Amino acid sequence: SAVISQKPSRDICQRGTSLTIQCQVDSQVTMMFWYRQQPGQSLTLIATANQGSEATYESGFVIDKFPISRPNLTFSTLTVSNMSPEDSSIYLCSGSGPGDSYEQYFGPGTRLTVT
Amino acid sequence: GQNIDQPTEMTATEGAIVQINCTYQTSGFNGLFWYQQHAGEAPTFLSYNVLDGLEEKGRFSSFLSRSKGYSYLLLKELQMKDSASYLCAVLDSNYQLIWGAGTKLIIKP
Repeated sequence: SAVISQKPSRDICQRGTSLTIQCQVDSQVTMMFWYRQQPGQSLTLIATANQGSEATYESGFVIDKFPISRPNLTFSTLTVSNMSPEDSSIYLCSGSGPGDSYEQYFGPGTRLTVT
Repeated sequence: GQNIDQPTEMTATEGAIVQINCTYQTSGFNGLFWYQQHAGEAPTFLSYNVLDGLEEKGRFSSFLSRSKGYSYLLLKELQMKDSASYLCAVLDSNYQLIWGAGTKLIIKP
């Protein structure tokens, strides 16, 4: 199974600023995903990070607000841009693979508070 | 639309058995996952079912009926550390995971 690390683990940011979250996998994965999770709620998929190309965003999420990079098979970043208090949440990175294995492994999450 | 239903919360006693149900209606089906998530932590993989029947893994078992759109997670010999949320997720026809809202399991001594 893949081991996934994220940083920062938590941050408190001011309204209008941006934060970039990094996700590192210890082995190659086929797919990487970014989720948001409000306390006590389930996971909401933001986007699928594609290596070397633009991410695939879910309904309600746009690239200008959540730009994502994936320069190689083991690393991805998510930026939360022009933050507002509504962006306060836990952001989780996950990976699946290699190959046709669809089980997802999750990073520890980044707890973001926007004031 | 796609829909996954789980009970919001369940309570059980240490040492007992509990069954957490999950029903789903999705566009296609390529398997069903159960994950465990302790408060403040990331989800961790418990089981994967793609064929009908029961898969047993230690104290945890997972059952699937594709014709009924139904699965359950069975936890035996409950321990206090089993207090967590249990998430059901279905892999749809696009191989995308559709997540249920999760069931918070409270274990009492």
